Amino acid sequence: GIQVEQSPPDLILQEGANSTLRCNFSDSVNNLQWFHQNPWGQLINLFYIPSGTKQNGRLSATTVATERYSLLYISSSQTTDSGVYFCAVEDMFSGGYNKLIFGAGTRLAVHP
Amino acid sequence: KAGVTQTPRYLIKTRGQQVTLSCSPISGHRSVSWYQQTPGQGLQFLFEYFSETQRNKGNFPGRFSGRQFSNSRSEMNVSTLELGDSALYLCASSLGAGDGTEAFFGQGTRLTVV
Repeated sequence: GIQVEQSPPDLILQEGANSTLRCNFSDSVNNLQWFHQNPWGQLINLFYIPSGTKQNGRLSATTVATERYSLLYISSSQTTDSGVYFCAVEDMFSGGYNKLIFGAGTRLAVHP
Repeated sequence: KAGVTQTPRYLIKTRGQQVTLSCSPISGHRSVSWYQQTPGQGLQFLFEYFSETQRNKGNFPGRFSGRQFSNSRSEMNVSTLELGDSALYLCASSLGAGDGTEAFFGQGTRLTVV
Protein backbone atom coordinates (compact mmCIF):
# COMPACT_ATOMS: atom_id res chain seq x y z
CA GLY A 1 0.00 0.00 0.00
CA ILE A 2 0.88 3.64 -0.23
CA GLN A 3 3.44 4.98 2.24
CA VAL A 4 3.34 8.47 3.75
CA GLU A 5 6.38 9.98 5.43
CA GLN A 6 6.44 13.28 7.25
CA SER A 7 9.47 15.28 8.29
CA PRO A 8 10.70 16.49 10.62
CA PRO A 9 9.08 14.43 13.37
CA ASP A 10 9.60 17.21 15.90
CA LEU A 11 10.10 20.94 15.50
CA ILE A 12 10.72 23.62 18.12
CA LEU A 13 10.39 27.27 17.15
CA GLN A 14 10.48 30.69 18.70
CA GLU A 15 7.39 32.78 18.16
CA GLY A 16 7.67 34.67 14.91
CA ALA A 17 9.82 32.11 13.12
CA ASN A 18 8.89 30.44 9.84
CA SER A 19 8.83 26.71 9.18
CA THR A 20 8.34 24.14 6.44
CA LEU A 21 6.82 20.72 7.02
CA ARG A 22 7.21 18.03 4.38
CA CYS A 23 5.07 15.08 3.34
CA ASN A 24 6.37 12.45 0.91
CA PHE A 25 4.09 9.78 -0.53
CA SER A 26 4.97 6.70 -2.49
CA ASP A 27 2.25 6.54 -5.16
CA SER A 28 -0.26 8.64 -7.07
CA VAL A 29 -3.00 10.18 -4.98
CA ASN A 30 -6.38 11.73 -5.63
CA ASN A 31 -6.65 13.40 -2.26
CA LEU A 32 -4.11 15.02 0.01
CA GLN A 33 -5.09 16.88 3.13
CA TRP A 34 -3.19 18.67 5.87
CA PHE A 35 -4.62 18.66 9.38
CA HIS A 36 -3.74 20.26 12.69
CA GLN A 37 -4.66 18.17 15.71
CA ASN A 38 -5.66 20.34 18.62
CA PRO A 39 -4.94 19.45 22.26
CA TRP A 40 -8.39 17.89 22.58
CA GLY A 41 -7.73 15.53 19.70
CA GLN A 42 -9.85 17.02 16.96
CA LEU A 43 -8.35 17.12 13.48
CA ILE A 44 -8.76 20.59 12.05
CA ASN A 45 -8.73 20.88 8.26
CA LEU A 46 -5.97 23.12 6.99
CA PHE A 47 -5.81 22.33 3.29
CA TYR A 48 -7.35 20.00 0.75
CA ILE A 49 -4.59 20.04 -1.84
CA PRO A 50 -4.08 17.03 -4.16
CA SER A 51 -2.10 19.36 -6.42
CA GLY A 52 -1.10 23.01 -6.74
CA THR A 53 -0.67 25.77 -4.20
CA LYS A 54 -3.07 27.30 -1.71
CA GLN A 55 -2.78 29.97 0.93
CA ASN A 56 -4.81 30.72 4.02
CA GLY A 57 -3.49 33.56 6.14
CA ARG A 58 -0.09 32.66 7.57
CA LEU A 59 -0.33 29.14 6.22
CA SER A 60 0.24 27.95 2.70
CA ALA A 61 0.69 24.57 1.07
CA THR A 62 2.09 23.21 -2.16
CA THR A 63 1.66 19.73 -3.59
CA VAL A 64 3.81 18.56 -6.49
CA ALA A 65 1.91 15.43 -7.44
CA THR A 66 4.34 14.35 -10.16
CA GLU A 67 7.19 14.31 -7.62
CA ARG A 68 5.01 12.91 -4.83
CA TYR A 69 5.48 15.45 -2.11
CA SER A 70 3.65 18.25 -0.36
CA LEU A 71 4.92 21.12 1.75
CA LEU A 72 3.15 23.07 4.48
CA TYR A 73 4.55 26.51 5.23
CA ILE A 74 3.88 28.30 8.49
CA SER A 75 5.01 31.91 8.62
CA SER A 76 5.32 34.17 11.68
CA SER A 77 4.49 31.25 13.96
CA GLN A 78 2.40 31.79 17.09
CA THR A 79 2.08 29.74 20.26
CA THR A 80 -1.39 28.70 19.11
CA ASP A 81 0.23 26.93 16.14
CA SER A 82 1.61 24.32 18.53
CA GLY A 83 0.33 20.80 18.12
CA VAL A 84 0.66 17.93 15.71
CA TYR A 85 0.37 18.39 11.96
CA PHE A 86 -0.73 15.44 9.85
CA CYS A 87 -0.61 14.82 6.15
CA ALA A 88 -3.11 12.28 4.83
CA VAL A 89 -3.54 10.87 1.35
CA GLU A 90 -5.99 8.72 -0.53
CA ASP A 91 -4.43 6.15 -2.82
CA MET A 92 -5.67 6.70 -6.38
CA PHE A 93 -5.50 3.05 -7.40
CA SER A 94 -6.43 1.07 -4.34
CA GLY A 95 -10.16 1.60 -4.70
CA GLY A 96 -10.13 2.74 -1.10
CA TYR A 97 -13.09 5.03 -1.06
CA ASN A 98 -12.42 7.87 1.36
CA LYS A 99 -9.71 5.78 3.00
CA LEU A 100 -7.08 8.21 4.20
CA ILE A 101 -3.58 7.02 4.95
CA PHE A 102 -1.92 9.23 7.53
CA GLY A 103 1.70 10.09 8.09
CA ALA A 104 3.13 9.87 11.59
CA GLY A 105 2.84 13.62 12.02
CA THR A 106 5.11 16.54 12.87
CA ARG A 107 4.93 17.71 16.46
CA LEU A 108 5.40 21.48 16.56
CA ALA A 109 6.12 23.46 19.69
CA VAL A 110 6.19 27.26 19.44
CA HIS A 111 7.67 29.05 22.43
CA PRO A 112 7.06 32.72 23.31
CA LYS B 1 -23.70 24.55 9.25
CA ALA B 2 -23.10 22.00 11.97
CA GLY B 3 -19.93 19.96 11.86
CA VAL B 4 -19.38 16.29 12.52
CA THR B 5 -20.75 15.25 15.90
CA GLN B 6 -19.42 12.28 17.84
CA THR B 7 -20.92 10.93 21.03
CA PRO B 8 -19.99 10.26 23.70
CA ARG B 9 -16.78 12.27 24.08
CA TYR B 10 -15.34 10.02 26.78
CA LEU B 11 -15.95 6.43 27.81
CA ILE B 12 -14.50 4.11 30.39
CA LYS B 13 -15.24 0.42 29.95
CA THR B 14 -14.09 -2.82 31.48
CA ARG B 15 -12.33 -5.59 29.58
CA GLY B 16 -14.81 -7.96 28.00
CA GLN B 17 -17.59 -5.40 27.69
CA GLN B 18 -18.82 -3.97 24.42
CA VAL B 19 -19.19 -0.36 23.39
CA THR B 20 -21.08 1.61 20.74
CA LEU B 21 -19.90 4.96 19.43
CA SER B 22 -22.00 7.32 17.35
CA CYS B 23 -21.18 9.73 14.55
CA SER B 24 -23.50 12.24 12.87
CA PRO B 25 -22.01 13.59 9.62
CA ILE B 26 -22.31 17.03 8.12
CA SER B 27 -25.72 17.54 6.56
CA GLY B 28 -25.67 16.31 2.97
CA HIS B 29 -22.61 14.13 3.44
CA ARG B 30 -23.25 10.47 2.72
CA SER B 31 -19.87 8.94 3.55
CA VAL B 32 -18.69 8.23 7.07
CA SER B 33 -15.27 6.78 7.84
CA TRP B 34 -13.89 5.66 11.18
CA TYR B 35 -10.29 5.85 12.43
CA GLN B 36 -8.45 4.67 15.50
CA GLN B 37 -5.60 6.72 16.94
CA THR B 38 -3.12 5.25 19.40
CA PRO B 39 0.33 6.46 20.42
CA GLY B 40 1.96 3.34 19.04
CA GLN B 41 0.12 2.88 15.74
CA GLY B 42 -0.90 6.42 14.89
CA LEU B 43 -4.07 7.03 12.88
CA GLN B 44 -5.45 3.89 11.26
CA PHE B 45 -8.47 3.43 9.03
CA LEU B 46 -11.21 1.16 10.38
CA PHE B 47 -13.99 1.24 7.77
CA GLU B 48 -16.07 3.45 5.55
CA TYR B 49 -19.80 3.54 4.87
CA PHE B 50 -21.69 5.15 2.04
CA SER B 51 -25.46 4.95 1.61
CA GLU B 52 -25.68 2.30 4.34
CA THR B 53 -23.10 0.05 2.62
CA GLN B 54 -19.62 -0.70 3.86
CA ARG B 55 -17.33 0.00 0.94
CA ASN B 56 -13.96 -0.46 2.54
CA LYS B 57 -12.48 -2.03 5.65
CA GLY B 58 -9.11 -1.73 7.33
CA ASN B 59 -7.07 -4.45 9.01
CA PHE B 60 -8.92 -4.79 12.28
CA PRO B 61 -10.40 -7.91 13.89
CA GLY B 62 -14.04 -8.77 13.51
CA ARG B 63 -14.73 -7.40 17.00
CA PHE B 64 -14.83 -4.01 15.30
CA SER B 65 -18.00 -3.47 13.33
CA GLY B 66 -20.15 -0.64 12.15
CA ARG B 67 -23.29 0.36 10.40
CA GLN B 68 -24.85 3.36 8.76
CA PHE B 69 -28.45 4.42 8.90
CA SER B 70 -30.63 5.93 6.19
CA ASN B 71 -29.98 9.44 7.58
CA SER B 72 -26.21 8.81 7.15
CA ARG B 73 -25.56 8.65 10.88
CA SER B 74 -23.14 5.86 11.71
CA GLU B 75 -22.36 3.73 14.69
CA MET B 76 -19.26 1.76 15.49
CA ASN B 77 -19.31 -1.20 17.84
CA VAL B 78 -16.43 -2.93 19.56
CA SER B 79 -17.22 -6.21 21.28
CA THR B 80 -15.21 -8.08 23.91
CA LEU B 81 -13.07 -5.07 24.70
CA GLU B 82 -9.35 -5.49 25.25
CA LEU B 83 -6.92 -3.15 26.98
CA GLY B 84 -5.34 -2.42 23.59
CA ASP B 85 -8.60 -0.98 22.32
CA SER B 86 -7.99 2.10 24.46
CA ALA B 87 -7.69 4.85 21.90
CA LEU B 88 -9.14 7.98 20.40
CA TYR B 89 -11.78 7.03 17.83
CA LEU B 90 -12.39 9.61 15.14
CA CYS B 91 -15.02 9.69 12.48
CA ALA B 92 -14.84 11.60 9.24
CA SER B 93 -17.61 12.84 7.01
CA SER B 94 -17.41 13.57 3.29
CA LEU B 95 -19.68 13.94 0.30
CA GLY B 96 -18.26 10.62 -0.75
CA ALA B 97 -19.79 10.35 -4.20
CA GLY B 98 -16.43 9.35 -5.61
CA ASP B 99 -12.82 9.15 -4.68
CA GLY B 100 -10.84 12.10 -3.48
CA THR B 101 -13.45 14.15 -1.66
CA GLU B 102 -12.43 16.27 1.31
CA ALA B 103 -12.93 14.69 4.73
CA PHE B 104 -14.01 16.55 7.87
CA PHE B 105 -13.46 15.07 11.31
CA GLY B 106 -15.43 15.06 14.51
CA GLN B 107 -13.99 15.77 17.95
CA GLY B 108 -13.50 12.09 18.66
CA THR B 109 -14.46 9.65 21.38
CA ARG B 110 -11.75 8.80 23.85
CA LEU B 111 -12.20 5.21 24.99
CA THR B 112 -10.37 3.85 28.01
CA VAL B 113 -10.54 0.12 28.71
CA VAL B 114 -9.63 -0.92 32.24
